[in-house]
Amino acid sequence: QKEVEQDPGPLSVPEGAIVSLNCTYSNSAFQYFMWYRQYSRKGPELLMYTYSSGNKEDGRFTAQVDKSSKYISLFIRDSQPSDSATYLCAMPSGGSNYKLTFGKGTLLTVNP
Amino acid sequence: EAGVTQFPSHSVIEKGQTVTLRCDPISGHDNLYWYRRVMGKEIKFLLHFVKESKQDESGMPNNRFLAERTGGTYSTLKVQPAELEDSGVYFCASSQDLVTQYFGPGTRLLVL
Repeated sequence: QKEVEQDPGPLSVPEGAIVSLNCTYSNSAFQYFMWYRQYSRKGPELLMYTYSSGNKEDGRFTAQVDKSSKYISLFIRDSQPSDSATYLCAMPSGGSNYKLTFGKGTLLTVNP
Repeated sequence: EAGVTQFPSHSVIEKGQTVTLRCDPISGHDNLYWYRRVMGKEIKFLLHFVKESKQDESGMPNNRFLAERTGGTYSTLKVQPAELEDSGVYFCASSQDLVTQYFGPGTRLLVL
C-alpha cells in the first residue's frame, strides 16, 4: 500500500465552482500535511500546510485534516481559471520533517 | 528575492553519458533538497543537505548518482553513467526551516 494516495483526475469544473481535492494516507505518524500547486513546466509551490488535525483557511483555500480517517482535503471556493494546475498533497515521512512523500497530483482545469 | 534556480532546464543525452545538474538555492537557505519525478510516478525524495553536509541520502537510487554542495551554496547532481531509467524531472528545493520547502522549476532529463 502506498503511503499517500491521490486521485490523478483530471478534474474539470466551471468558473466559480467549489473544488474538493483529496488524499488518503496510511502512516498514522504523519503530523504535517501540505498542499502544493504546480503549474505546467514549473516547480511545485507550497500553498498551505496544517499541523495535526483540523482546518486551516487562507483566502479561497481551506485545508482540512481528519487523522482518524487518514484523509486530507483541499477546498477551493469561487474557483478561477488561474487555479488551473496540478495539486499535490505531501507529507514529511520517515520520522523527519523534511523528507516529503507526495501524492501523484490531481490535474484541475477551471473553465471560464 | 530570487527563487530557486536550476540549470539546465532540459537535457537530452545518450545512455552511458554523464550529465551534471545544478541548483542554486534561495540565498541564506541552509537546507537544500533534491527530488525526482519519473514519468507516471510521484515526486520522490533523493537527498538533503544542511549547508555543505549530506544529512540524508536515503533516496539516492544507486552509486551512479553523486550530489555535492561545495561551500554550502549551490549544489550539483551528477549522473554517471546515465541509464534509460534515469529519465525524469529533477527538482531542487531549499528552505530555512525544514517544513517550508521552495522548489525550483526542475531539470527535464531524457536519456536515449
